[in-house]
Amino acid sequence: QKEVEQDPGPLSVPEGAIVSLNCTYSNSAFQYFMWYRQYSRKGPELLMYTYSSGNKEDGRFTAQVDKSSKYISLFIRDSQPSDSATYLCAMEGNQFYFGTGTSLTVIP
Amino acid sequence: DAMVIQNPRYQVTQFGKPVTLSCSQTLNHNVMYWYQQKSSQAPKLLFHYYDKDFNNEADTPDNFQSRRPNTSFCFLDIRSPGLGDAAMYLCATSHPGGYEQYFGPGTRLTVT
Repeated sequence: QKEVEQDPGPLSVPEGAIVSLNCTYSNSAFQYFMWYRQYSRKGPELLMYTYSSGNKEDGRFTAQVDKSSKYISLFIRDSQPSDSATYLCAMEGNQFYFGTGTSLTVIP
Repeated sequence: DAMVIQNPRYQVTQFGKPVTLSCSQTLNHNVMYWYQQKSSQAPKLLFHYYDKDFNNEADTPDNFQSRRPNTSFCFLDIRSPGLGDAAMYLCATSHPGGYEQYFGPGTRLTVT
């Protein structure tokens, strides 16, 4: 079983839609949960992080962690074409574990 | 601006011809990482350094080596590149115990 599972998509939505991206994980020791955004041919950049369970909001982005279900989500409200990218979840235990990424396209 | 720089951005090498990728950082972070990322796959950790303390991941092939001569610079050497080594190579940095990694733009390696 992989440490982190993420649906690769691709996901295609119209501009203005609410996007939900998700990851599941197997290691209950993970404490930090991150979402990275990676544009084509670029390195990942940190979008949001959450420590332990709970929600965190930053503008149009909301990160949720449910440790009891080992499930994390990233919601994007009022999605924009500039949000088109691959979104990678990542978690830290004694090292970093990345998901495979979900490719998102927001259509104008 | 403080950042992570990788050179070159694109590298083409021949099968079996050694190649070196470089990474430098102005963030003064103690920890540096090298990842390999293939298309539609998660970044795969190859090596990381806590300062000069080198940590090799168990499944990193012997064909890959790394050097960190000082805090700012780190190199990835591929001794005999094979076609399967064609990938994006990402360098990242962080504080010790830090949850946030700062990535460079990557070097895309092509093996002909």
